Amino acid sequence: DIQMTQSPSTLSASVGDRVSITCRASQSVFSYVNWYQQKPGKAPNLLIYAASSLQSGVPSRFSGSGFGTDFTLTISSLQPEDFATYYCQQSYFIPGTFGQGTTLESK
Amino acid sequence: EVQLLESGGALVQPGGSLRLSCAASGFTFSSYAMSWVRQVPGKGLEWVSTISGAGGSTYYVDSVKGQFTISRDNSKNMLYLQMNSLRAEDTAVYYCAKDTLPAAPSHWDSWGQGTLVTVSA
Repeated sequence: DIQMTQSPSTLSASVGDRVSITCRASQSVFSYVNWYQQKPGKAPNLLIYAASSLQSGVPSRFSGSGFGTDFTLTISSLQPEDFATYYCQQSYFIPGTFGQGTTLESK
Repeated sequence: EVQLLESGGALVQPGGSLRLSCAASGFTFSSYAMSWVRQVPGKGLEWVSTISGAGGSTYYVDSVKGQFTISRDNSKNMLYLQMNSLRAEDTAVYYCAKDTLPAAPSHWDSWGQGTLVTVSA
């Protein structure tokens, strides 16, 4: 199975900060990486698909980049509602596998 | 508006069986693959199974092959997961999720609220 490794596991930041989360695949998954946000007690919410495409309804402060094995989720100006856990997922190979998650917490 | 509503989660003894259901509305159900994704409380996400829109193709993570069976009833807009021989490691919140493609697992743009399955004596 493809292993997806996120870093950091925890990220402390303040409102207004620009933050980035990285995800590395154990082998190339081309552009088949998706990013989800999950808040406590809630289902995940799709933010970015195909590495860089913004899901409908998601604020434009979220962006994604990368190809092959290295991918990044960036939040350009952190808002209070963005404190949550973020997961990357590859969908090129079956089984689709997730990263272990990055918890974005308030500094 | 897409809505997915899971039901059927419960406390079950090891070796027992359970069937989860997911009622879908707000989209053309038969046009999309549907999946189950689980999450051990406090842990990460794990894809479990996918069924194609027409129901002819199914996919499973290795750890549940031969143990779980995914199915759907397109006439009722319902998705199911039959879980047999349950083990403690199957304890998780199970989410029903809508794929973005009709035939194979991809990514998921709508999720249910989740249903908790607890396997314990």
